Amino acid sequence: AQSVTQLGSHVSVSEGALVLLRCNYSSSVPPYLFWYVQYPNQGLQLLLKYTTGATLVKGINGFEAEFNKSQTSFHLRKPSVHISDTAEYFCAVSEMDDYKLSFGAGTTVTVRA
Amino acid sequence: NAGVTQTPKFQVLKTGQSMTLQCAQDMNHNSMYWYRQDPGMGLRLIYYSASEGTTDKGEVPNGYNVSRLNKREFSLRLESAAPSQTSVYFCASSESRVNNEQFFGPGTRLTVL
Repeated sequence: AQSVTQLGSHVSVSEGALVLLRCNYSSSVPPYLFWYVQYPNQGLQLLLKYTTGATLVKGINGFEAEFNKSQTSFHLRKPSVHISDTAEYFCAVSEMDDYKLSFGAGTTVTVRA
Repeated sequence: NAGVTQTPKFQVLKTGQSMTLQCAQDMNHNSMYWYRQDPGMGLRLIYYSASEGTTDKGEVPNGYNVSRLNKREFSLRLESAAPSQTSVYFCASSESRVNNEQFFGPGTRLTVL
């Protein structure tokens, strides 16, 4: 099974600042990669995903992530966060021939006014 | 479209009681999943159903059973609830195994006393 590591369980940033969330996976074969967001008391929704092609992926709400095969990483960033970005963020991976997802432990982002 | 719906939203059980969590999706997806979410552990797969008529164990199946009633509905049953099953339970569905974007329900918050 895939192992997914998210560095930092909690990040606190000021509104307008850059936020960078780190995700590393264990597979030697590039998998499918996802970032999901969970707003308080809600289910998860997809922010963005990488399958093939360009390594910089743009998602909803101004988020983007970069796939780095040599570092087995898929870090998420947003150049200028808003209060409404306060949420928990999950990195997830799946093998190309398997539909099950493996999730990281999550990173809670708190945006301060 | 309602997407993925789950009932109930909240439930309190006593140790040893049984209950069934209901999930339905209206996106005509083939695959459905049950996860549990615990603090600091991300989401862990309990059971999944690749297609109508099939179910398989995930990472943490002990103490649970599932039924894929039809293409729309996938239920999770706790036969004899234990305090260790206190968690938030999410149902999800996906269209295919190729890109595996999963859509999540709002969750059921279960407390076992």
